[in-house]
Amino acid sequence: GQNIDQPTEMTATEGAIVQINCTYQTSGFNGLFWYQQHAGEAPTFLSYNVLDGLEEKGRFSSFLSRSKGYSYLLLKELQMKDSASYLCAVLDSNYQLIWGAGTKLIIKP
Amino acid sequence: DGGITQSPKYLFRKEGQNVTLSCEQNLNHDAMYWYRQDPGQGLRLIYYSQIVNDFQKGDIAEGYSVSREKKESFPLTVTSAQKNPTAFYLCASSEGLAGAYEQYFGPGTRLTVT
Repeated sequence: GQNIDQPTEMTATEGAIVQINCTYQTSGFNGLFWYQQHAGEAPTFLSYNVLDGLEEKGRFSSFLSRSKGYSYLLLKELQMKDSASYLCAVLDSNYQLIWGAGTKLIIKP
Repeated sequence: DGGITQSPKYLFRKEGQNVTLSCEQNLNHDAMYWYRQDPGQGLRLIYYSQIVNDFQKGDIAEGYSVSREKKESFPLTVTSAQKNPTAFYLCASSEGLAGAYEQYFGPGTRLTVT
């Protein structure tokens, strides 16, 4: 079966750095997405990785290792507005998106 | 501004009633999707459509129906056959289907059936 694992919840301090991990086992791989979702709102796109390595975009970076079936989202200089759920999703061989359950990130002052 | 709209944001229905959730996009996207989101679970695909007058079942289509008569619109009907309809429903669209296309989401409709 297809499976994506993320921690259910993480807590971090304002101004700090946090890494949210995602491991996956899917039927084929055509890329991995990260989305941010504030409570009760729509998910919004953060990043897409298809090749191994680190992609940096401002305070957010996303890393992929295809051989390990592993990705992480790195958030730097955390702000209170970063409190949200972070969803990992993998595009399988049929170009279907397989979604993880999401990681709820709580930022404390 | 281009985007996706869903209405209403909150919807309450009695058990046994069918209800239709609207989804409209003005992004000129070909592909549209309906997802269901429950606490502690990932997004689950209900139906998707690549072009007008064509749609495919997702992982949890039972108890739901859709239509795609116009490119901009993809309404979802939750029928009385859906055993556990209370959930947060998200509509999304993307430029295409068979590719690494970012999906754009509407604000969602929270449906409560009692």
